[in-house]
Amino acid sequence: GESVGLHLPTLSVQEGDNSIINCAYSNSASDYFIWYKQESGKGPQFIIDIRSNMDKRQGQRVTVLLNKTVKHLSLQIAATQPGDSAVYFCAENDNSGTYKYIFGTGTRLKVLA
Amino acid sequence: DSGVTQTPKHLITATGQRVTLRCSPRSGDLSVYWYQQSLDQGLQFLIQYYNGEERAKGNILERFSAQQFPDLHSELNLSSLELGDSALYFCASSVGGISYGYTFGSGTRLTVV
Repeated sequence: GESVGLHLPTLSVQEGDNSIINCAYSNSASDYFIWYKQESGKGPQFIIDIRSNMDKRQGQRVTVLLNKTVKHLSLQIAATQPGDSAVYFCAENDNSGTYKYIFGTGTRLKVLA
Repeated sequence: DSGVTQTPKHLITATGQRVTLRCSPRSGDLSVYWYQQSLDQGLQFLIQYYNGEERAKGNILERFSAQQFPDLHSELNLSSLELGDSALYFCASSVGGISYGYTFGSGTRLTVV
């Protein structure tokens, strides 16, 4: 069933192309960031993380870029596949010692066959 | 299976009623977090417990309360329910003390009619 908002920004990408999902974060004190993927009817799943002392981190088909100057985070997905269709959230820790995360509003990725 | 178990998966109840949502964290995790996800919003942090004690509070209404029991499972109690409380409620857990993000359950979909 529908799990997330109907009014999310949507990125439509052709299968096989690269996807770039962007996120602006708010807390300049945040020192740890995560990208989550949420498929319909499921809870968010961890994709990749990055600490504030890095500006790039690569995983399998995914890369996260961090620009602390403009408080911007991006997720790049290489060779996008139908299974990548989901809502993607960035999350920043609030760095208050509680390990609470603040989530962005999310971007819906649609992969076109 | 993420290891975080939430019950029930679906709940339909009438306005004014009270419900209890249950969460069993991943084995070894001491922290439990509750999030609310409405159709038009992202994930909103409600409350965090660490090893039985409340650690952080977010935008949790006074009609809502939570607790974490000695076996580390947690319950979120929602009372005097209103139509606007209809949402997905997620529980997440982490080991606590380490900012590695956390693992989400599959959520409870609450519908208030």
